[in-house]
Amino acid sequence: SQQGEEDPQALSIQEGENATMNCSYKTSINNLQWYRQNSGRGLVHLILIRSNEREKHSGRLRVTLDTSKKSSSLLITASRAADTASYFCATDLQGGSEKLVFGKGMKLTVNP
Amino acid sequence: EAGVAQSPRYKIIEKRQSVAFWCNPISGHATLYWYQQILGQGPKLLIQFQNNGVVDDSQLPKDRFSAERLKGVDSTLKIQPAKLEDSAVYLCASKRTGGAPEAFFGQGTRLTVV
Repeated sequence: SQQGEEDPQALSIQEGENATMNCSYKTSINNLQWYRQNSGRGLVHLILIRSNEREKHSGRLRVTLDTSKKSSSLLITASRAADTASYFCATDLQGGSEKLVFGKGMKLTVNP
Repeated sequence: EAGVAQSPRYKIIEKRQSVAFWCNPISGHATLYWYQQILGQGPKLLIQFQNNGVVDDSQLPKDRFSAERLKGVDSTLKIQPAKLEDSAVYLCASKRTGGAPEAFFGQGTRLTVV
């Protein structure tokens, strides 16, 4: 079963704008990860936030985590056409099994 | 460092036929995952190995799907017999057990069952 649910399911923006996508999950986690998937390709890891962290930055990426609400958000600033892809949140479930469960994904389109 | 290798990249079979996918994880990665990704959906975990032992196979349709990881390195995923609804991309991923939590994915095998 899917653990995470991204919101919105699709987003279309202009180059230079910021894109925000949200992820809600159901059970306790060790960490939450965001991945990107270009059409027809494998998934690429973007950023990870641990359960005891609230915010992390990496380049143009900013991720937040609210464990009380079981939600996370990913912000991509100054978007580029190359950011066009599907984005997935994945939860590393608590318990030591290292089971990695993905959400349904969000399709981001950045128009030049 | 070489990435996760998967083969074949594409496969078309008729329903009721059998098919096998192969995955070679990154060297030293003890944890290996197989995911099924149906078009427009997120990856669904089918089975997770740690070395050659199964950690989780709760969503593997065991009446038709099987997977093995002999010697704790390469892995194969088999479907026998295939159904139309098995059409999907099958993704293999690996990670260091107990190390950095991010998983590394192969390019996937796109299966079409006709």
